[in-house]
Amino acid sequence: DAGVTQSPTHLIKTRGQQVTLRCSPISGHKSVSWYQQVLGQGPQFIFQYYEKEERGRGNFPDRFSARQFPNYSSELNVNALLLGDSALYLCASSLDGGNYGYTFGSGTRLTVV
Amino acid sequence: ELKVEQNPLFLSMQEGKNYTIYCNYSTTSDRLYWYRQDPGKSLESLFVLLSNGAVKQEGRLMASLDTKARLSTLHITAAVHDLSATYFCAVAYSGTYKYIFGTGTRLKVLA
Repeated sequence: DAGVTQSPTHLIKTRGQQVTLRCSPISGHKSVSWYQQVLGQGPQFIFQYYEKEERGRGNFPDRFSARQFPNYSSELNVNALLLGDSALYLCASSLDGGNYGYTFGSGTRLTVV
Repeated sequence: ELKVEQNPLFLSMQEGKNYTIYCNYSTTSDRLYWYRQDPGKSLESLFVLLSNGAVKQEGRLMASLDTKARLSTLHITAAVHDLSATYFCAVAYSGTYKYIFGTGTRLKVLA
C-alpha cells in the first residue's frame, strides 16, 4: 500500500513568492495534518483537516492556509514567503483524526532565498 | 500552553549499554506518541500510549506513560548502532488531535 505521498520533495523559492505543497493520504484515511519542522527542532503543528473541515490551526500567520479535497488529499499554501519559512513541511494522515497516531509523509523541503 | 520537554537532548552511548530518555509535559493529557527520525528523513511511528500505566515494547525499545506524573520514558536495552537517530515524543492536547512535539533526543550509539 502506498504511504503518505507529498510533492514536490524539494523546492527553492524567492522571498515574497507563493508556494503550494501537496499531500495524498493513505487510502481510507480521512484526516490530514500539516507540520513545519525547522532544522534541529521538533515539528510544529500548522493545520488539521478531518472530512474536509478544518479541525485545528496552530500559531502560524494568515499567510499559511490549507484545504482538503473530496478525495481527502490536501494542499498547504504559503504566501509572501519569508526566509524563516525555510523548513521541512510534513504531511500526516490518520483514519480517525490522530488518536492512534499519525503516519507521516517524507516531507517537502522548502528553501526560501 | 502545553509544553513538552525531553532530556537529554543529546546522548552518546556505547553499544550494549542501557539508557532512558525522558519526556515531561506540562498539562493534562493521556495520549503520548514516540517517533524516530533518521537524518533527512521523515518521522517513523514507534509507540502509541493512550492510558495511564501503558507500557509498549518493540525489540530493544520500551515506552511507558505515567499521566499523573506527566512523564513518559523510552528505555533502550543493549543499544546497537542501528538505533542511532533522533527520537521525539509528542503529546496530544486534551480533546484535540493537535500534537505538541518535544525538542527531540539525538542518540548516537558508538560501536
